[in-house]
Amino acid sequence: DQQVKQNSPSLSVQEGRISILNCDYTNSMFDYFLWYKKYPAEGPTFLISISSIKDKNEDGRFTVFLNKSAKHLSLHIVPSQPGDSAVYFCAASEGYHFGNEKLTFGTGTRLTIIP
Amino acid sequence: EAQVTQNPRYLITVTGKKLTVTCSQNMNHEYMSWYRQDPGLGLRQIYYSMNVEVTDKGDVPEGYKVSRKEKRNFPLILESPSPNQTSLYFCASSARQGASEAFFGQGTRLTVV
Repeated sequence: DQQVKQNSPSLSVQEGRISILNCDYTNSMFDYFLWYKKYPAEGPTFLISISSIKDKNEDGRFTVFLNKSAKHLSLHIVPSQPGDSAVYFCAASEGYHFGNEKLTFGTGTRLTIIP
Repeated sequence: EAQVTQNPRYLITVTGKKLTVTCSQNMNHEYMSWYRQDPGLGLRQIYYSMNVEVTDKGDVPEGYKVSRKEKRNFPLILESPSPNQTSLYFCASSARQGASEAFFGQGTRLTVV
């Protein structure tokens, strides 16, 4: 049973426009959410996170939104740049309140930024 | 530089020949884990360790073993590899702070023929 779902395997966005990547989860115990970025032949690298006590977290061009009632989070990248082309993984844990560090990952979305 | 180092990066082996993939971190992290990445399945946790001599199964532990004799090292052992273990493997570590980012190694691409 996939507890973290990324329903869009791929997304193409024009350079300079906004990229929106979506993620849904089913486990109501998840209280900490992360986005990772992965380039080919490299390991995933941490991008941004949000705990369940917030509904928005911003870091430069990256903003993550959390809608707990809908069990949905999204990553906004604005403006999109060619270097943003990568696979993005959404991940969740029960780490914030329960101290469980285990990450459960989605299947990833391949983002392509078109120059 | 903070990093997680895996070796080897690429490995082709034959069915049944025991192999070990090493993982080492220099951040004094307590929590370490192994994941495999397969097309359409994302990253799935194989085993994890919360501290030295403390290991436990993740979501897909069958066919794998691990050990944690030192804090910095967390090797993944395939006693008798099979073709269905052909995959991309990642080691990760994180500080046990309740909610923290995990740092990943660069990955090991394993092919079992």
